[in-house]
Amino acid sequence: GDSVTQMEGPVTLSEEAFLTINCTYTATGYPSLFWYVQYPGEGLQLLLKATKADDKGSNKGFEATYRKETTSFHLEKGSVQVSDSAVYFCALSALNQAGTALIFGKGTTLSVSS
Amino acid sequence: GAGVSQTPSNKVTEKGKYVELRCDPISGHTALYWYRQSLGQGPEFLIYFQGTGAADDSGLPNDRFFAVRPEGSVSTLKIQRTERGDSAVYLCASSPTSRETQYFGPGTRLLVL
Repeated sequence: GDSVTQMEGPVTLSEEAFLTINCTYTATGYPSLFWYVQYPGEGLQLLLKATKADDKGSNKGFEATYRKETTSFHLEKGSVQVSDSAVYFCALSALNQAGTALIFGKGTTLSVSS
Repeated sequence: GAGVSQTPSNKVTEKGKYVELRCDPISGHTALYWYRQSLGQGPEFLIYFQGTGAADDSGLPNDRFFAVRPEGSVSTLKIQRTERGDSAVYLCASSPTSRETQYFGPGTRLLVL
């Protein structure tokens, strides 16, 4: 079945460091891909998404490119801030099924120190 | 506008008891989803509603779990004969239609003693 694998954390960085969180997927058809973020004490929020191959999703300085050839959707940010400390989830949604559920990775905890 | 709301925010119960968890989706959203998130894991799909009907309940772990959405808005997830393994955060999400971005509520943290 469809699945998402993301790098295990925790990831610990200093402020202004470069961030990469790896995400790869297995899916039939052509899924949409998402990054959700969960800040401490808050609910899941959509960070960015891409709906087809080679699309780049971006938001708040974060970017991820949908790579069909490598089945990947790695999350990057050029300069992280303390406020980016959170748990990040990669997810997919199969477009060719009605009522699509999201399939999530296990999450990667990011901790940024000043 | 108002986001997805869930009540209660926390629920502690004893093994064998019955619990109900409520989800109030964003107004006008026809699609509603329930997920379960265990500690250290990503959310796992339980059930999806399109309007009043359960279009996909393939994620419900067993027949102790049941969900309803009688008027196409508020949904209730019902768990009978709770077990300690049911302890988790139960998340609800809604979207305008089934193929659009899902917006999540804050979750209900269920603890079964």
